[in-house]
Amino acid sequence: AQKVTQAQTEISVVEKEDVTLDCVYETRDTTYYLFWYKQPPSGELVFLIRRNSFDEQNEISGRYSWNFQKSTSSFNFTITASQVVDSAVYFCALSKGSSGSARQLTFGSGTQLTVLP
Amino acid sequence: DTAVSQTPKYLVTQMGNDKSIKCEQNLGHDTMYWYKQDSKKFLKIMFSYNNKELIINETVPNRFSPKSPDKAHLNLHINSLELGDSAVYFCASSPPGGFHEQYFGPGTRLTVT
Repeated sequence: AQKVTQAQTEISVVEKEDVTLDCVYETRDTTYYLFWYKQPPSGELVFLIRRNSFDEQNEISGRYSWNFQKSTSSFNFTITASQVVDSAVYFCALSKGSSGSARQLTFGSGTQLTVLP
Repeated sequence: DTAVSQTPKYLVTQMGNDKSIKCEQNLGHDTMYWYKQDSKKFLKIMFSYNNKELIINETVPNRFSPKSPDKAHLNLHINSLELGDSAVYFCASSPPGGFHEQYFGPGTRLTVT
């Protein structure tokens, strides 16, 4: 069974602070994929990043960076110099990598990030 | 151009009614999904179709019936609505394979009174 844990239910920071959102996952598969999605107050789900289980290279995209560590089954997300527009619920998700056409995403419970001006 | 669209965006109805939510994607994807997001924001897969064939059917009451007339459309029909069905329902699509991200529709907020 797959499981994704986002232990931080809510985080509040002041603008320009750095913030890290934690994600810990459980899976028996050797091939799997990890995702982060953002859900702003408007409600849509926006894809941020995908990482496969064979690629532990960290990634940086502007103010966003992701740290994938298989040894600790973690895929953490850091926002540098946070902005008010970063306020949203952030979801970490896990997908099986085995063959097949449709693979469900197992989502974590989400972290509500509030960035105060 | 909207990639994944859902109608209606809001749906308010009474217990016992039957309602449908429609989803369409213009991305050319083979696979479509329905997710339910409850009041605590928890997202859970309900169904998945690949090329009009049901692939995933999680433990969902049989009052919920998905229908895929073609690979660009996946509708969700709900019979005998209950208060607990109140949630946001998201449609998504992706190319085949678990390595692809899923593209989500804007969601349909269903309120059962």
